[in-house]
Amino acid sequence: DVKVTQSSRYLVKRTGEKVFLECVQDMDHENMFWYRQDPGLGLRLIYFSYDVKMKEKGDIPEGYSVSREKKERFSLILESASTNQTSMYLCASSPGSSGANVLTFGAGSRLTVL
Amino acid sequence: GEDVEQSLFLSVREGDSSVINCTYTDSSSTYLYWYKQEPGAGLQLLTYIFSNMDMKQDQRLTVLLNKKDKHLSLRIADTQTGDSAIYFCAERPYNFNKFYFGSGTKLNVKP
Repeated sequence: DVKVTQSSRYLVKRTGEKVFLECVQDMDHENMFWYRQDPGLGLRLIYFSYDVKMKEKGDIPEGYSVSREKKERFSLILESASTNQTSMYLCASSPGSSGANVLTFGAGSRLTVL
Repeated sequence: GEDVEQSLFLSVREGDSSVINCTYTDSSSTYLYWYKQEPGAGLQLLTYIFSNMDMKQDQRLTVLLNKKDKHLSLRIADTQTGDSAIYFCAERPYNFNKFYFGSGTKLNVKP
């Protein structure tokens, strides 16, 4: 069964802490994505990556950075967490840009910043 | 970016049909997707349709596409309590990597 695995389901951090959210996929997908989900706002794209060491800003990149050193792993970094970054974070991957290119999601990481 | 709109809530009785609606704005060839999210979980793909199709059926699910009005619907026949979830519509322009999601429709199925 193919998977996108997010290492932490629940995290509680303090304001100003550095936070790492890790995501690993085992499908040899080219593209990986980080979204945040907030009630009534749907999914908003933070960053995506279409190749190793490549990244592109999404709609809400401020306060976040990403790292993709290996094809299967895409990390989201909050350099200095703030309370307005309390949210559900969803990682996803897709094969490429042609065809249906379906997104496969991880189970999500719920981050609370106190 | 693209604008994908959905109503926020829908409530139906068990055994009835549910129809969840979505509008999108892209005018070129595009893929349109329906995802389901159960409480505390990630999104799970239900089905998708390319914009050159009018309809797609898969067991209890029927997707209808009105290209002129840029309107997409998901019909769930014989809705069960296990169908209670948030349903997201998403659009991806052809040969493009970005997906555009609606805000999600929370379906509540009453016994």
